[in-house]
Amino acid sequence: NAGVMQNPRHLVRRRGQEARLRCSPMKGHSHVYWYRQLPEEGLKFMVYLQKENIIDESGMPKERFSAEFPKEGPSILRIQQVVRGDSAAYFCASSPGGTADTQYFGPGTRLTVL
Amino acid sequence: GENVEQHPSTLSVQEGDSAVIKCTYSDSASNYFPWYKQELGKRPQLIIDIRSNVGEKKDQRIAVTLNKTAKHFSLHITETQPEDSAVYFCGSSGNTPLVFGKGTRLSVIA
Repeated sequence: NAGVMQNPRHLVRRRGQEARLRCSPMKGHSHVYWYRQLPEEGLKFMVYLQKENIIDESGMPKERFSAEFPKEGPSILRIQQVVRGDSAAYFCASSPGGTADTQYFGPGTRLTVL
Repeated sequence: GENVEQHPSTLSVQEGDSAVIKCTYSDSASNYFPWYKQELGKRPQLIIDIRSNVGEKKDQRIAVTLNKTAKHFSLHITETQPEDSAVYFCGSSGNTPLVFGKGTRLSVIA
């Protein structure tokens, strides 16, 4: 049973470009969470999605950031017009049920903005 | 919303000694409390979790205790080994998504 998959593992963008991060949950999991981790810091919740629905986006900046989890295919976190401050590791996690269910993390995407 | 405080931020212990990390939370509706271990450059990995209907849970050298009245829970690692060196995060959730503490960097000195 494959775990949570994320790609790309490393992504380099220049300021102003778009970054698109993908997350495929574990088989049987329909709940996906995205977190951002700055160097030497903790995991900050960004957004919680179920298939085709955003359940909670309270941790996601209102501008430039968006997320989706379509009926078919991976969940995508999109960052438009990236700035240097967006450089971080972005982790997604999945769970079979809701927020009180065990979450399993993917390997993360390390975004570097030049 | 939920707020999770984690202490200490760094902890050094001699190999074979015990390590204790403590977390407090604010939302009395929270009922799920996981602990994750993150090695440098790796993903967070669940090491143990506890739900609010249980006061203590143990898995070999790792144990977690929960005091719902005081809204705090702790991670205990006994007989520490160098491979226990990592950053440990506590989390709290219930009806809202997981909120993590800021992490504890544990160093086990051989």
